[in-house]
Amino acid sequence: GDSVTQMEGPVTLSEEAFLTINCTYTATGYPSLFWYVQYPGEGLQLLLKATKADDKGSNKGFEATYRKETTSFHLEKGSVQVSDSAVYFCALSPGGQNFVFGPGTRLSVLP
Amino acid sequence: DTGVSQDPRHKITKRGQNVTFRCDPISEHNRLYWYRQTLGQGPEFLTYFQNEAQLEKSRLLSDRFSAERPKGSFSTLEIQRTEQGDSAMYLCASSLEQGMGETQYFGPGTRLLVL
Repeated sequence: GDSVTQMEGPVTLSEEAFLTINCTYTATGYPSLFWYVQYPGEGLQLLLKATKADDKGSNKGFEATYRKETTSFHLEKGSVQVSDSAVYFCALSPGGQNFVFGPGTRLSVLP
Repeated sequence: DTGVSQDPRHKITKRGQNVTFRCDPISEHNRLYWYRQTLGQGPEFLTYFQNEAQLEKSRLLSDRFSAERPKGSFSTLEIQRTEQGDSAMYLCASSLEQGMGETQYFGPGTRLLVL
């Protein structure tokens, strides 16, 4: 079945550091790929998405590129802020159906 | 723009009791999903509706779990004879049918604690 693997957390960085959170997937066909973020005490929010190979999703300084050849969708940000502290979930969707989520990666950014 | 709302936000119950949660999706969304999220894990799909039709329910955790969406608007998730293992966050999401790239919008969740 479809699955998503994420790097284990927690990840702790200093403010302005470079962030990478790895995500790889297994799926039949060509799923859409998503990153969701969950801030403390809040619900999941869409951060960015990509729907086909080589698409780059971006939002709030975060980027991720859909790499079909490596079945990856790594999340990156050039300079993190304390306000980026949250749990980040990578997810896939085969299209109009339920999402399959990874286990989440907790990010803590220290001032 | 009103987002997805869920009620209650928190529920404490005793083992063996029945509980019901409500989800109100974004008004124009025709798809509605239920997920369960346990501590330190990602959301786990339970069931989904397109309008009032329940199109997938094989992932419901047991026959104690049931969901309805009688008029294609709000939905309820019921857990009968609750067990301590049912303690989790129950999430609802909605989307507008559009195939690839369809984005699900999540509510804040209902946190259930079974004593």
